[in-house]
Amino acid sequence: EVQLVESGGGLVQPGGSLRLSCAASGFTFSSNWMHWVRQAPGKGLVWVSRIDRDGSTTNYADSVKGRFTISRDNAKNTLYLQMNSLRVEDTAVYYCASWIAEPGGGYFDFWGQGTLVTVSS
Amino acid sequence: SYELTQPLSVSVALGQTARITCGGNNVGDKNVHWYQQRPGQAPVLVVYKDSERPSAIPERFSGSNSGNTATLTISRAQAGDEADYYCQVWDSSTVVFGGGTKLTVL
Repeated sequence: EVQLVESGGGLVQPGGSLRLSCAASGFTFSSNWMHWVRQAPGKGLVWVSRIDRDGSTTNYADSVKGRFTISRDNAKNTLYLQMNSLRVEDTAVYYCASWIAEPGGGYFDFWGQGTLVTVSS
Repeated sequence: SYELTQPLSVSVALGQTARITCGGNNVGDKNVHWYQQRPGQAPVLVVYKDSERPSAIPERFSGSNSGNTATLTISRAQAGDEADYYCQVWDSSTVVFGGGTKLTVL
């Protein structure tokens, strides 16, 4: 059974930092691109970042570029998101998701349950 | 940047057919994928590559994509289908989601 379990969320002040983790099991973690997607309270899904199979290629949404860093440890089957200089508008549930790459565009086959990040003073 | 437009809400009577649209410029040239998100839960893939269905998803869920509109069709709607539904494409090295549609089963 595929499992993605996020952790590391919590309450942080504006300007602060958090590191999210996503522990993967039930599939060959190193074979998949992995992504972070977030959802502000009562709002829709928004893509945040992605990382390739060996961690050599990363991409970010403009809203987090320069502040967030995605990484992975394939030996530990774990995905990370280092979030610095956090803003109130970063408040959201953060999901990790595994990506199925397809010509013409891929999709997410599995999602974690999410971890809530609240940025507030 | 590429945009996907979904209606905010769709209502359907129990047992009838619901159709949720996803509009985008020449979206028919792209692969469109659909996710169901029940309240308080993570999204679940229900249709991928326009019309393919994961093995665990009932045949009542189907999809189509042509021109500027992709459509998710839910036949014989059940109370358990009440959820938010999101379409998604890949464009310019970016994942793009529609704004989401709340499906209400009456």
